[in-house]
Parts: sequence; structure tokens; C-alpha cells
Amino acid sequence: NAGVTQTPKFQVLKTGQSMTLQCAQDMNHEYMSWYRQDPGMGLRLIHYSVGAGITDQGEVPNGYNVSRSTTEDFPLRLLSAAPSQTSVYFCASSYSPGTGLEKLFFGSGTQLSVL
Amino acid sequence: QKEVEQDPGPLSVPEGAIVSLNCTYSNSAFQYFMWYRQYSRKGPELLMYTYSSGNKEDGRFTAQVDKSSKYISLFIRDSQPSDSATYLCAMSEGGGATNKLIFGTGTLLAVQP
Repeated sequence: NAGVTQTPKFQVLKTGQSMTLQCAQDMNHEYMSWYRQDPGMGLRLIHYSVGAGITDQGEVPNGYNVSRSTTEDFPLRLLSAAPSQTSVYFCASSYSPGTGLEKLFFGSGTQLSVL
Repeated sequence: QKEVEQDPGPLSVPEGAIVSLNCTYSNSAFQYFMWYRQYSRKGPELLMYTYSSGNKEDGRFTAQVDKSSKYISLFIRDSQPSDSATYLCAMSEGGGATNKLIFGTGTLLAVQP
């Protein structure tokens, strides 16, 4: 099993550009989520999904869109990149709701710089 | 005030030392407490998982939860250079997927050989 796979690993954008961060998992997890990690702020939840076709906002959703058309994939879209979105982004997945939720499996991250 | 507070360190110890990492929290509804380990340029990985109060031991690692004091700890015995990483505490109220994890900011640990 590959686990949670994120692409790309690194990305540099100019202000105003759009892009999609890809996330795929092969563990048949129903729950998938996106976090950003910033110095001094810790991991903050952007969006999450409890299954195909179902998404919801986390703590810091502004400027990001998500969709979940399949169980495996959960892409994160930046609509118009801003320097404040410079961060490291992590995708994470887990088993279905209940006691399994808290055991998150993380991808290796995407380091994004917005100039 | 943040819901979860964690000293960022860095914490530097000699190999073989006992390490104590701590978090405090303000939300008395938290029931699930976790420690994640994150190596440089990698994603976090779950290290320990505890429900409610008490201790849990796994090899050289012991997790303690004191809900009356809203305080959790992770102890590492006989620390090794391979333990050098950032340790993140995390907690949730539980109750299903709509309950979200709240992470601490992480403590950077360096174990010197």
C-alpha cells in the first residue's frame, strides 16, 4: 500500500495564479482532510470530507475549494493564490466516523510558496 | 488563548536521557488524546493514543492524561538520536467525523549522541 500520496512536493506560484494540490489514498478511508502547517500556528484544518460527494469547511477554509468525487481522491484547489497561503499542506485520511477518526494517516506534504 | 498550548522548544537532551513533553488544554470536553511524531520534511505519524484519563505505555513511550488538571504528557525513556523530531499533541471531543482534532504547535526534540 502506498498510503496517502500528495503531489506535487514543492510548488512556487505567483500571486493570483490558481492550482490544484492532489491527494490520493489507497486504504479505502472514508474520511479525508486537508491541513496547513505554519510556524507557531500548528496544524489547522482547511476542509474535510466524510465520504464521496460530502465536504465541509474546517477552521481556515477561505481561498480554498475541495470536491470529493471518489473515495480515493480529495484535491485542494487554490482559486487565486495569495502570499498568505504560503505554507506546508498536508492531506490526511482515516477510517469512518467513530473511534477511528482520530488516527489520521498523513501524506508527506506539499511545500507551497506564493510570491 | 489557544485551546491547546505546547512549548515549542527546542529541547536538547543527551542520548539515554528521559524526555518529558507536555501540553495543556482548556476544553474540558476533550476525551481523546494523541501524540504525533513528525520528522523533518515528513508528515506526522501517530505515536500514542489515549482515551480519557490514565496512562498508556508502548515500549519506551508512556502517555499520561490528567483531565482534572487539563494536562497531558509524553515520556520517552532511554532516548535515542532517532527520536529527534517534532512531537505534536492532539486532542478531540470524539463522537464521530464532525469532531475535529485540535493540534498543539509541536515541540522540537533533539537527542544528541
